[in-house]
Order: sequence, then C-alpha cells, then structure tokens
Amino acid sequence: QSALTQPRSVSGSPGQSVTISCTGTSSDVGGYEYVSWYQQHPGKAPKLMIYDVNRRPSGVPDRFSGSKSGNTASLTISGLQAEDEADYYCCSYAGSYIYVFGAGTKVTVL
Amino acid sequence: EVQLVESGGGLVQPGGSLRLSCAASGFTFSNYAMTWVRQAPGKGLEWVSTITGSSGNTYYADSVKGRFTIARDNSKNTLHLQMNSLRADDTAVYHCAKENPYYYDLWGQGTLVTVSS
Repeated sequence: QSALTQPRSVSGSPGQSVTISCTGTSSDVGGYEYVSWYQQHPGKAPKLMIYDVNRRPSGVPDRFSGSKSGNTASLTISGLQAEDEADYYCCSYAGSYIYVFGAGTKVTVL
Repeated sequence: EVQLVESGGGLVQPGGSLRLSCAASGFTFSNYAMTWVRQAPGKGLEWVSTITGSSGNTYYADSVKGRFTIARDNSKNTLHLQMNSLRADDTAVYHCAKENPYYYDLWGQGTLVTVSS
C-alpha cells in the first residue's frame, strides 16, 4: 500500500493550463479504471473533482479533466483561475477493497 | 441537507483508545459503503478503513489492522471507528466519507486526534 507519486507542486498564471501527474503501479492505477481526484482548500474537506479516470461530477467546471496512460493518471486544469489554488490528491482502487492516495500536489496560481 | 459530521476526536496518550463517530444525513445511509480517511498534520490523505453498506464487511489499511475497528449502526445512520493501542503516528484529522463504488462523493470536515504524552 505505497502512496501514489505526485509532484509536490505545480504553478501557472491565470488562464494557463496545468497538469498534475499521478504515478502508481499495475496493481493500482494501471490495473483499474478507478482513479479519482480530490481538491482540498486549507482547513476544508476534500471535494470530488474527477472519478473513474475522466468523469466529472455535476457542478465541477469542465476546465477540469482527467486521463490515464499505463500506470500514470493525470488531472489537467485548463483556464486556471484564482479559486483553483488548492491541494489536489489522486486516489486509485488497488483491489480487494483497498484504496491508495497520492501524497498531494499544491497548485499555485501566480 | 446531505452531510457527514464527525465527532469524538481529542488528545489521548500513547497506548490509549478513542472512539470516533460520523453522523450521516440526507441520503439512505444503509445503501452505501462508508470509509475513514486520515490526514496527518501537513501530510496527504491516507485510506484507513471501509465498511460495506448492508453486509458490513470490513477492510483495513495495514497500518491500522488489528488496532482499529470500523462499525456502523444503520438504524442511527452512524459510522464509528474504535481506535486502540494508539501511537504518535496515528495523530491526524480523521474524515469519514461516503463511497460510491470506487470514489468518495461526500466528505465530512473531520475530527482531530492527537496522540501525545
């Protein structure tokens, strides 16, 4: 149950795009189409942004998109806005009702 | 209102015990698996334990197996986490989360557990 690997931080100017990677193994990210992404502002509860690799819950702006290739999943934020500044966590199903999270990525809007 | 509200956190000495609760409202509690996720200070999220909706099957992270017990009371729409033999590295904010298969679509604000002498 090792944590998924995410960059510690990414940054971009308003209007730009940023992409956060999430690397696991064939036992988690690569083995299932069950990657989800969560946004967390300081002191707040995490919020679901993407599920099942690339599906967006109602209410989440279409600026947020997800994808996966092999053992690496990605979250892209297009048209970066000030309110997107937050921590982002990926999560993958790892079989036998086990889940693993990434260590988190801080997104900074310059 | 659809929400989850945790309670029961606090300061406990190493080796001690604590029982967390999570009150659910606004959805049919028994229909969903429920999960505890924790976040150590300044650290990332860590999956701790899951209990299925109706059958009550339980699953644990290796880091808590044998020390923590997850349970639910569907008649009271409440989730619990009994934590025994607590260690300093169990210090964290503990969130409960509602699981749709393979993702968590509702989270509570969390309750802080501090293990220190």
